[in-house]
Amino acid sequence: DSGVTQTPKHLITATGQRVTLRCSPRSGDLSVYWYQQSLDQGLQFLIQYYNGEERAKGNILERFSAQQFPDLHSELNLSSLELGDSALYFCASSVAAAFSYEQYFGPGTRLTVT
Amino acid sequence: DAKTTQPTSMDCAEGRAANLPCNHSTISGNEYVYWYRQIHSQGPQYIIHGLKNNETNEMASLIITEDRKSSTLILPHATLRDTAVYYCIVRESFGNEKLTFGTGTRLTIIP
Repeated sequence: DSGVTQTPKHLITATGQRVTLRCSPRSGDLSVYWYQQSLDQGLQFLIQYYNGEERAKGNILERFSAQQFPDLHSELNLSSLELGDSALYFCASSVAAAFSYEQYFGPGTRLTVT
Repeated sequence: DAKTTQPTSMDCAEGRAANLPCNHSTISGNEYVYWYRQIHSQGPQYIIHGLKNNETNEMASLIITEDRKSSTLILPHATLRDTAVYYCIVRESFGNEKLTFGTGTRLTIIP
C-alpha cells in the first residue's frame, strides 16, 4: 500500500460525458502527479500540482483539467469523453517538487468510455 | 530527459538473480537513473535510483557503468512476485519532476 488513494476504482460512462477522478496523496506529500496509461500510448505524464499550484504540464488534452485543493487532494476532470479516453489513470505523490526522488503511485482508476 | 533502451522481455528462474539492463547513452551529468516496476496494471512502484555510484536497498541493487551510459538492475533472489514490467527512467531530480516511461522490460519469473 503506497498510501495514495484514488476513487473510484472503476468508471464506465458514455461518450460525450464528463467525469471526475479523485486522488488523495500520502500524508505530508505536497506534489501530486497525474498519469494516463492506455494500450497504445503506454504510461504518459499529464500534469503536476505542487501545494495547490500547477507546476508542470505534459500531454494533457484541453478537454482535461485538474486542480489541487487546500487539503492537498486533487481531482482530474475529463469532459466530452471519447472512446480513446478509455485508460487507466494513475495519481502519484511525492514529498516536494524539487529533489523528489520517489513518486508513490495510487492503484489507479480504470475508465471505460462506451 | 535522456532516452533509455531496454529489452522487451526477459525470463529468470525463481531463486536466481535477475539482471535487467538499460542503455542510456545520452545521459547528462545531472540526470539520475531510476527504476520503477509495474505489476499487472497496479500503480508503478519505485525500486531504486542512482547518479553514478552503485546503490543497494532492500529490494534491489543498481550498477551504473563508469561512463554512465548504461546500468543494470539486479534482483538478487527473484520470486514469482517479481514478475512485472520494469522501467528504467533517466531524469533530473531538480526542475523536472515528471517521469517519462518507456516500454520497459517484461520480466517473467519461472518456477
